[in-house]
Amino acid sequence: GQSLEQPSEVTAVEGAIVQINCTYQTSGFYGLSWYQQHDGGAPTFLSYNALDGLEETGRFSSFLSRSDSYGYLLLQELQMKDSASYFCAGSSNDYKLSFGAGTTVTVRA
Amino acid sequence: GAGVSQSPSNKVTEKGKDVELRCDPISGHTALYWYRQSLGQGLEFLIYFQGNSAPDKSGLPSDRFSAERTGGSVSTLTIQRTQQEDSAVYLCASSFGTAGYTFGSGTRLTVV
Repeated sequence: GQSLEQPSEVTAVEGAIVQINCTYQTSGFYGLSWYQQHDGGAPTFLSYNALDGLEETGRFSSFLSRSDSYGYLLLQELQMKDSASYFCAGSSNDYKLSFGAGTTVTVRA
Repeated sequence: GAGVSQSPSNKVTEKGKDVELRCDPISGHTALYWYRQSLGQGLEFLIYFQGNSAPDKSGLPSDRFSAERTGGSVSTLTIQRTQQEDSAVYLCASSFGTAGYTFGSGTRLTVV
């Protein structure tokens, strides 16, 4: 099994940069994923890191350090539409994702 | 289909009744997952199907919960003798592997 810890909420202004940290404890760890969920909507896949380092996808980047059991999601040039919950999720050799409790990001004008 | 389809989108049921929730995954996706999300909470794993292998039922909270997947495609999650604590959004996802699940919009279950 796995357990993942992430902050419960973050507030920032439009145009700012937000980093959401995720620490995990797992056996048979494969990789770390990030999902975005707007109120009342389905979680949508953002990124996946299997190897150490930074993966960049537009304004969003994700980082993984396997030796530190740590990753983060970086949201740049924040926009109002980025207000949502963000979940880190760990995959392991039992082929299912374990999710963190989620971080609510609130973007203010 | 183009995405993961779940039905019904909303279900209100009386305590003690049985309910069936349906998931139609993306065509060709071999893996199918059921998760449960309570208000403001994370996603709780329920059950996982991979191809023709025996499902991983380790997340089912009680023997009132069961699921099947017919023909490697459509899945049905059944909750018998529903309780108020079963109220939640039930999410289905499908994938080729463990990176990049595609979730359906969920079934919001309310037990009154």
